[in-house]
Amino acid sequence: DTEVTQTPKHLVMGMTNKKSLKCEQHMGHRAMYWYKQKAKKPPELMFVYSYEKLSINESVPSRFSPECPNSSLLNLHLHALQPEDSALYLCASSQVLGSQEKLFFGSGTQLSVL
Amino acid sequence: DQQVKQNSPSLSVQEGRISILNCDYTNSMFDYFLWYKKYPAEGPTFLISISSIKDKNEDGRFTVFLNKSAKHLSLHIVPSQPGDSAVYFCAASAINTDKLIFGTGTRLQVFP
Repeated sequence: DTEVTQTPKHLVMGMTNKKSLKCEQHMGHRAMYWYKQKAKKPPELMFVYSYEKLSINESVPSRFSPECPNSSLLNLHLHALQPEDSALYLCASSQVLGSQEKLFFGSGTQLSVL
Repeated sequence: DQQVKQNSPSLSVQEGRISILNCDYTNSMFDYFLWYKKYPAEGPTFLISISSIKDKNEDGRFTVFLNKSAKHLSLHIVPSQPGDSAVYFCAASAINTDKLIFGTGTRLQVFP
């Protein structure tokens, strides 16, 4: 199993809603990532978890709250988002954290904030 | 400031010919470079990589060339096939960092 599974695939939410994005992998990878990709832009790193501990937070606003309940799961909790937060949110995993590792990406959650 | 640049947003190539995708970078600390391929409604998938100690890496129809003095790398696909039609992202990382910096992508279309 070399898949990273993300749910939901699409999400529409209002600015007052609370929602969560979910990501799962069963490759035994110990590093998991959230990326944000806006249209015609490159994926940009948001958060990195290594061995279930938050390792990198790229100065992401607090309305995005990551959670890593165990080594296979990664969540992104969303609250009071703005329309400019509409984007494709990609989860990824790698065997361990480090510059030489290849990432396995999920297919993403397309988020629209109204 | 974009540290990894793919100046061609799109490229169209005939089946069987060579596709050349280009990528430039500005950070001299980058020491590892990767190419990812992305189909619509799917996440990017790893294609090929190269370390800064090499100037060429080949894997089947895919070859990546690195010119450190010019801070330039390219991906050659030969022969191109219609199934290669996708968006290709160049990415780079610096030694002892945990971040990949991506380019904006080049959309390749291979037509029969």
